[in-house]
Formats: sequence, structure tokens, C-alpha cells
Amino acid sequence: GQNIDQPTEMTATEGAIVQINCTYQTSGFNGLFWYQQHAGEAPTFLSYNVLDGLEEKGRFSSFLSRSKGYSYLLLKELQMKDSASYLCAGLDSNYQLIWGAGTKLIIKP
Amino acid sequence: DAGITQSPRHKVTETGTPVTLRCHQTENHRYMYWYRQDPGHGLRLIHYSYGVKDTDKGEVSDGYSVSRSKTEDFLLTLESATSSQTSVYFCAISENDNYGYTFGSGTRLTVV
Repeated sequence: GQNIDQPTEMTATEGAIVQINCTYQTSGFNGLFWYQQHAGEAPTFLSYNVLDGLEEKGRFSSFLSRSKGYSYLLLKELQMKDSASYLCAGLDSNYQLIWGAGTKLIIKP
Repeated sequence: DAGITQSPRHKVTETGTPVTLRCHQTENHRYMYWYRQDPGHGLRLIHYSYGVKDTDKGEVSDGYSVSRSKTEDFLLTLESATSSQTSVYFCAISENDNYGYTFGSGTRLTVV
């Protein structure tokens, strides 16, 4: 079966760095997405990885290892506004997105 | 999000009644999707469309139907609402099948 696993909740301190891990099992693989979702709002696109390695976008970076079925989202210089859920999603061979349940990130001052 | 709107934003309905949710886009994107989001679950695909009058089922399609008569509109109908269909429904659009999705603001549906 297809599955995306990510931690349910994480806590970090303002100004620190946090890494949110995601492991995936999909039928075929056409890339991995990360989305951010603030409470009561729609998910918004953060990153897309299809090749192994690290993609950096300002304070956010995303890493992919296809051989390990593993990705992580790295958030640096955490700000209070980064408190949100972070959704990992794998694109399978039929170009269908398989979604994880999301990681709720709590930022403390 | 600019370019995609959902209506209504909130709805309370009674068990057994039909309900239609609307998704409207101004981006001229080919792909449109309906998801539901429930606590403890990832987004689950209900139905999707890859063009006018071209639709297909997702993983949780039972009890739902869709229609797409124009590029810009994608309607989701709950034929006879049940309490298990209480959820937040998101519409999403995509230019291509391996592009990032843009989501609408969601519809919170309560079936009593």
C-alpha cells in the first residue's frame, strides 16, 4: 500500500532550527511536495523535490533521498508565524498525490 | 487564494439532504481536485477532473459526485448527506499533473 509517515507534533523555540522528517512508500515516484497550513486556512505550496539532494529557499530547505524513501523540511531562524502544520505529499506513478496527516509545529518564545 | 474561490465557506445541513459545493477558478488550469480533510488524516482525494467533462474517482468517492461543464467550475455534490461527511472540503487546481497545487480557502460542512 501507499503511505506517508511524519511526526504528529513538534515543538521548537523562536530563532532555532527544526527538521521535520517524512518517510514515504508510493507506487512509483514522481516527486515529493511540502505544504504549509496555518490553522483554519488552506495549504500553501512550499517545495517540490524530484531529485536527490537539498533545495534551499530562504529560511526553508527541503531534502530528498529516493533510495531511502525519505525527505525532510528544514526551517531556520524560526519565527512565531512559522507555527503551522506541515504536510508532506508524495506523487505516485499515476501522478496522484498521497498525503501525510501533517506535522503540527509549535513555536515557543 | 487569488484565482480560486470556494462557496459556501460554511454550511450546516441535515442528514439525507443533497448538498452542492462550488469551486471556481480564473487561472484556466486544466486539473481540478476535491479533497476532504479530517483530524488525524491526510488530505483525501474525493474526485478530480483533467478537463471539461473529464472526471475520475479518488480514494473516498462513495456518496459524492462531481461535474465540470466549464473549465472554471468544478462542482461537488453530496447526494444524500450523512454525518460521516462532516468535514472541511478543499478544492485545488493545478496547471499540470506534476505541478504544485493551489488550494481554495475551504468549505466547512456540518451534517446534523
